[in-house]
Amino acid sequence: AQTVTQSQPEMSVQEAETVTLSCTYDTSESDYYLFWYKQPPSRQMILVIRQEAYKQQNATENRFSVNFQKAAKSFSLKISDSQLGDAAMYFCACRNRDDKIIFGKGTRLHILP
Amino acid sequence: DTAVSQTPKYLVTQMGNDKSIKCEQNLGHDTMYWYKQDSKKFLKIMFSYNNKELIINETVPNRFSPKSPDKAHLNLHINSLELGDSAVYFCASSRTGSTNTGELFFGEGSRLTVL
Repeated sequence: AQTVTQSQPEMSVQEAETVTLSCTYDTSESDYYLFWYKQPPSRQMILVIRQEAYKQQNATENRFSVNFQKAAKSFSLKISDSQLGDAAMYFCACRNRDDKIIFGKGTRLHILP
Repeated sequence: DTAVSQTPKYLVTQMGNDKSIKCEQNLGHDTMYWYKQDSKKFLKIMFSYNNKELIINETVPNRFSPKSPDKAHLNLHINSLELGDSAVYFCASSRTGSTNTGELFFGEGSRLTVL
């Protein structure tokens, strides 16, 4: 079974600065996916970025990028040029192919104006 | 067009009552899920259905009974509601097989409050 650990319950960053959210995971599979989801106060779960384990290149989506270290089982999210709208809970998640997605406990990100 | 829709969005009820939450997806996905998010924001899978067949049941009390009349619908019925059932319940769907891109598509959640 997979496990996902987010060691930072809360973080704060100044607007326009860069912040990195940490995530480690464990799975016995070699074929899996990793995700970061964002949950703003509206409670909608929004996919921020996804990474397939077989791809060595780190995924990037505009201001969001990941640092995927497969051997270390680490999957951190970097948010550049932080904006007020980035304030939310961020969940790291892992899915073995065609299996359930397991979520970490989340990191609440505050953006300071 | 809403991809995954849940009704109702909010539900307040008394302990001991029975209630249902409905979910529909128009994405053509094969697999649907119910997740529970507790007051600490922890998301935990409850059930998963693939083409109307139950494939994941995560030791959920049998007061919770999912029903999938077709692959586009997955409903959740809860009997004899308890205070601890208060949570946000998320429905989600995903592709499987060769078209699987891995991610879940979530509904907006249904906040259940048991008094």
